[in-house]
Amino acid sequence: QQPVQSPQAVILREGEDAVINCSSSKALYSVHWYRQKHGEAPVFLMILLKGGEQKGHDKISASFNEKKQQSSLYLTASQLSYSGTYFCGTEIGVSNFGNEKLTFGTGTRLTIIP
Amino acid sequence: EPEVTQTPSHQVTQMGQEVILRCVPISNHLYFYWYRQILGQKVEFLVSFYNNEISEKSEIFDDQFSVERPDGSNFTLKIRSTKLEDSAMYFCASSDLGGEKLFFGSGTQLSVL
Repeated sequence: QQPVQSPQAVILREGEDAVINCSSSKALYSVHWYRQKHGEAPVFLMILLKGGEQKGHDKISASFNEKKQQSSLYLTASQLSYSGTYFCGTEIGVSNFGNEKLTFGTGTRLTIIP
Repeated sequence: EPEVTQTPSHQVTQMGQEVILRCVPISNHLYFYWYRQILGQKVEFLVSFYNNEISEKSEIFDDQFSVERPDGSNFTLKIRSTKLEDSAMYFCASSDLGGEKLFFGSGTQLSVL
């Protein structure tokens, strides 16, 4: 079952902050975040593993609440380059083969305007 | 930075025809994947491949689909008899370790007429 992302779309002025949420009905092993610009491939942002994590680089950070099966992506002081569609991808477990598959959410379209 | 390359970038085919989508994963990566994205929708998992065999596949990946690593560098997705609903952007991805980040190629836009 795919994770649910909210909001579906958000428009920000440059410099404003945004939070994108990702929720699952299943217990999660990890949450991955990717950004996809129009017509391009998804680009990796970060992975959060179960055990509760927060990560960040530059002005983009994320948290993973294992108990709630939720992850949130935080974008602070947004820049024009942050525009794109953000997808969370979830793993419910890891087999002996390693990274099996990600189930992606429907995406959140972020538009940054000057 | 190393990248995953996919060819062709666009493929137009008639319904019922076979297509082969090609990918060259990053050279030291061990895990390979195919995902697809129907226009405006989410990215969907098709299949993962490790140690020369399929490690997992989705319900989308039926008997019409197959994957192959014919040599040490290429990773292909074959659709034997294409259907209209196979029209999508197909992304190849690779990762060096299980559970690590995926590197996506720029995709092949498949249009089935």
